[in-house]
Amino acid sequence: GDSVTQMEGPVTLSEEAFLTINCTYTATGYPSLFWYVQYPGEGLQLLLKATKADDKGSNKGFEATYRKETTSFHLEKGSVQVSDSAVYFCALTENQAGTALIFGKGTTLSVSS
Amino acid sequence: DAGVIQSPRHEVTEMGQEVTLRCKPISGHNSLFWYRQTMMRGLELLIYFNNNVPIDDSGMPEDRFSAKMPNASFSTLKIQPSEPRDSAVYFCASSPDYRPANEQFFGPGTRLTVL
Repeated sequence: GDSVTQMEGPVTLSEEAFLTINCTYTATGYPSLFWYVQYPGEGLQLLLKATKADDKGSNKGFEATYRKETTSFHLEKGSVQVSDSAVYFCALTENQAGTALIFGKGTTLSVSS
Repeated sequence: DAGVIQSPRHEVTEMGQEVTLRCKPISGHNSLFWYRQTMMRGLELLIYFNNNVPIDDSGMPEDRFSAKMPNASFSTLKIQPSEPRDSAVYFCASSPDYRPANEQFFGPGTRLTVL
C-alpha cells in the first residue's frame, strides 16, 4: 500500500541555519503531497502542498518540490527561526474519491538562538 | 472564525471505563476525520465521514471503538471498555468536501490517559 517515509529526528539547528527534512513516498497512482506542521500543544496545520509532478509548494519561507522521478518531497528553508521549532509531517493522498491522507511518522525540529 | 472544536482537552480514566470524545467540525465542512497519535505508531487515521456517512472505518482498532456523526455539526468517538494501550492524543479534523487534495483542518486534540 501507499506509504510515506521521513527522516528520523530530532533535527537540532541554530537560528539562521539551512533546513532540509527528507520525505520519500510510495504510491500506486499520482498522489498529492503535503507538509503539515504541529506546534507544541496544538493540532496539525497545513504548511504547503503540491498536486502534481514538478510543482513547488511554498509558505512562510518553506518550500518543497514534487519530484516524481525520485518519489520525493523534501522540505527546505533557507534560514530557520526559533519559532519554527515544531514537528513536521509529510503526507500524501491518492487523487481518488474514497481515499484519505497517509502521514509519515513526523520529524521534530528544534531551533536554538 | 471558530476552528475545529474538541472536548475534553484532557481525559484521565481507569481501565474498563467508557470514554467519549467529542468533535464539532468547522461549519460548512462536509468531511470529518478521526486520528490517533502515539509515539510508537505516529498519526493513524481511525475513521472518516462524508456528509455524516462513515466512508472508511478500517483504521478503527477493534470493536471497543465506535464513532458516530448524527448531524453535520457533531461527532463522537467512543471507547468501551478503555484499556491502557488506548492512551494517546486523539485528533478530529474537517475538510470542506471530499476532494482528496483539500486541506484538512485539525482540532487541538484530546489527550487520553487510561490508567
